[in-house]
Amino acid sequence: TQLLEQSPQFLSIQEGENLTVYCNSSSVFSSLQWYRQEPGEGPVLLVTVVTGGEVKKLKRLTFQFGDARKDSSLHITAAQPGDTGLYLCAGASRRGSTLGRLYFGRGTQLTVWP
Amino acid sequence: GAGVSQTPSNKVTEKGKYVELRCDPISGHTALYWYRQSLGQGPEFLIYFQGTGAADDSGLPNDRFFAVRPEGSVSTLKIQRTERGDSAVYLCASSSSAGLPYEQYFGPGTRLTVT
Repeated sequence: TQLLEQSPQFLSIQEGENLTVYCNSSSVFSSLQWYRQEPGEGPVLLVTVVTGGEVKKLKRLTFQFGDARKDSSLHITAAQPGDTGLYLCAGASRRGSTLGRLYFGRGTQLTVWP
Repeated sequence: GAGVSQTPSNKVTEKGKYVELRCDPISGHTALYWYRQSLGQGPEFLIYFQGTGAADDSGLPNDRFFAVRPEGSVSTLKIQRTERGDSAVYLCASSSSAGLPYEQYFGPGTRLTVT
């Protein structure tokens, strides 16, 4: 069962374009993390959002946590080939019995062409 | 300091064999996690240690899978009687606190191939 649904699954764009990736769930999370993963490597943490409605910026990347803490979005401005990778969202459980585990989406594979 | 390390980076084994995968967390991190990632999927939770004890092992798929962390640092994931369906990348992560938010730092993974 996939608690977090990411869309789109694949995204192929030209350098300089803007894009948004979505992460949706019917469950409430205590926090939500965004990771980027490259082939043969483990996921690398980009950002953590905790408060409903929170917006965080990391250079050209803008992350938003939904007001109800069930969804999130990642917006990239003026994408560059170096942004290419698998973007994963992960929600942290808020229930005592499962504290600590992250629930991952399937990821969005982004390819930025020069 | 050094990040999370995992050994071996690749493991090829025959169906029915026993394998051990090792994880060295970031120094001082008390929490350690194992995940499994199949092709085209996001990581799937297996087990979570807080110190030496398994705080949540509900993600282990069956009793062929077992993990230990005897001294609260290095962890070993053990798989008995491997099956072809066990082929995946096994990821280890660690974090500095059991409190919110959970920022987990991942190792490069061990790619397990069962032939």
